[in-house]
Amino acid sequence: AQKITQTQPGMFVQEKEAVTLDCTYDTSDPSYGLFWYKQPSSGEMIFLIYQGSYDQQNATEGRYSLNFQKARKSANLVISASQLGDSAMYFCASTSGGGADGLTFGKGTHLIIQP
Amino acid sequence: EPEVTQTPSHQVTQMGQEVILRCVPISNHLYFYWYRQILGQKVEFLVSFYNNEISEKSEIFDDQFSVERPDGSNFTLKIRSTKLEDSAMYFCASGFRELAVQETQYFGPGTRLLVL
Repeated sequence: AQKITQTQPGMFVQEKEAVTLDCTYDTSDPSYGLFWYKQPSSGEMIFLIYQGSYDQQNATEGRYSLNFQKARKSANLVISASQLGDSAMYFCASTSGGGADGLTFGKGTHLIIQP
Repeated sequence: EPEVTQTPSHQVTQMGQEVILRCVPISNHLYFYWYRQILGQKVEFLVSFYNNEISEKSEIFDDQFSVERPDGSNFTLKIRSTKLEDSAMYFCASGFRELAVQETQYFGPGTRLLVL
């Protein structure tokens, strides 16, 4: 079974600052994927970024990057130059390497960007 | 850009009634999923579906739940006899495999179900 831990229930960050959202995972599978999703107050789940366990480089998507430290089993999301529209819940999730596997989600971090 | 769609956006039902939640996945995707999110809690996996059959299901997905892909575009979740604790946001997701590794799952906007 997989487990995702997000230790920051809430964060306040000043606009334009960079922010790091923590995520650690626990899995015995050698092949797995790590994901981050954003959930604004409207409720939809927006895919942000994906990191495969065998990827040699950290994933990046625009202002989002994933700080993947395999030995520490961490997959922190870094948002550069934060914007007011980044205020939302952020969920880290993982899936293992076989079949049509469901995602295991963490409890989320509520990020609030302050002007 | 293609997206997953879900209907209805909101549904209110009486305890014991059957509900069917509908989803139209992204057209070239092969993997389909249902998740639920009870208010204020994390998202929980219910079931995955591939090649016209259930691939994986969680312990939440008991006999009162069923899924179906009745045609080439729709994917449905049926709750046979709803309970108060079934009140939640239900998300459909679809995915495809890239490079034979994990697939990225794209979520629909959700159906908010309220059981009275």
